[in-house]
Amino acid sequence: EIVMTQSPATLSVSPGDRATLSCRANQSVSSNLAWYQQKPGQAPSLLIYGASTRATGVPARFSGSGSGTEFTLTISSLQSEDFAVYYCQQYNNWPRTFGQGTKLEIK
Amino acid sequence: QLQLQESGSGVVKPSQTLSLTCTVSGVPISGGASSWSWIRQPPGQGLEWIGYISHSGPTSYNPSLQSRVTMSIDRSKNHFSLKLSSVTAADTAVYYCARGVSTVPKTFDVWGQGTMVTVSS
Repeated sequence: EIVMTQSPATLSVSPGDRATLSCRANQSVSSNLAWYQQKPGQAPSLLIYGASTRATGVPARFSGSGSGTEFTLTISSLQSEDFAVYYCQQYNNWPRTFGQGTKLEIK
Repeated sequence: QLQLQESGSGVVKPSQTLSLTCTVSGVPISGGASSWSWIRQPPGQGLEWIGYISHSGPTSYNPSLQSRVTMSIDRSKNHFSLKLSSVTAADTAVYYCARGVSTVPKTFDVWGQGTMVTVSS
């Protein structure tokens, strides 16, 4: 099983600032990496797939990068609705696995 | 518009079987290049993929749960189901059903709202 490790566990950022979230795989997943956003009491929502392709309707301030074992999700100018928990997920190997999440909170 | 809705037992006794159903609305469950997964989230924790079933029947389960999991699909009712046997407190979680993009799930683009299942005597 591929283990996905996200850092930091919690990130405190001010509205309008940039946030950078990291995800690392313990073996290569190529570009088969997705990011999800989860708000309290809601199901996760797909943000990014293929490491860098935004899902339908996702604002351009969200961007993904990386390949192999190191990935980054960047939110360029944080809006109030962006404060949530973010998960990465690999789909290169079975079983599909998620990171433990990064909580993005208001500073 | 595709929507998913979980239903089933909210409280299950230890050693018994958890049973959940996901009703698909807006599209036929047998149509298109989709697969149907279950994913769970223990309180305050991360996400765990349980397994998937495709409309033609093939399934794949997470090896960590494989011995206890059964998934099925009912095309006439446009729903799919999860059974998890011999449950313990560690199975307490919010259970989500989700559509996988492609017949073999890669990412999950549509999710149900989730249903809380508590294992307790």
